Amino acid sequence: DAGVTQSPTHLIKTRGQQVTLRCSPKSGHDTVSWYQQALGQGPQFIFQYYEEEERQRGNFPDRFSGHQFPNYSSELNVNALLLGDSALYLCASSLVPGELFFGEGSRLTVL
Amino acid sequence: GENVEQHPSTLSVQEGDSAVIKCTYSDSASNYFPWYKQELGKRPQLIIDIRSNVGEKKDQRIAVTLNKTAKHFSLHITETQPEDSAVYFCAASSLYTGGFKTIFGAGTRLFVKA
Repeated sequence: DAGVTQSPTHLIKTRGQQVTLRCSPKSGHDTVSWYQQALGQGPQFIFQYYEEEERQRGNFPDRFSGHQFPNYSSELNVNALLLGDSALYLCASSLVPGELFFGEGSRLTVL
Repeated sequence: GENVEQHPSTLSVQEGDSAVIKCTYSDSASNYFPWYKQELGKRPQLIIDIRSNVGEKKDQRIAVTLNKTAKHFSLHITETQPEDSAVYFCAASSLYTGGFKTIFGAGTRLFVKA
């Protein structure tokens, strides 16, 4: 079992650009949640996908959007990047509500 | 909105001593309380969890307690070892129609001195 995999692991963008991050959930898991973790802080909930629909959303602007595919994999898109978007983006998959299995994350640096 | 407060932000203990981390939550719908350990540059990993119908749970050197009335829950680590040094996060999860939401505390950086 490969666990939760995310790509890319690191990327650098400039302000105003757009980024897409990808996540493959743990085998058998059908729910994907995305979190933003700034340096020295706890993970902040962005949104959650189940059955290809956004089910829950945290306090993030519309610049943050996502998608879930029929194979349960997911993408996180961020438009019009700001310096403050620099963070570790964590994907977590679940089968049982509440039980999160995290990937290693994608570290985004915005210059 | 939902909020989880965690204290202390930093904790330094001598090897062999106990460490206690405390959290409070605001959402009355929260019914699942996991604790995660995150080592530098690594993913958060679940170390123990407790559900709202249980007051206490223990797994070897780690125990969690939950007081639903007061909306408090705590992590207790006994006989600490240097490899326990990491950042620990508490979280509270609430079930909603069609999904759930898990909110994390800000973390506690634990240093265990040999």
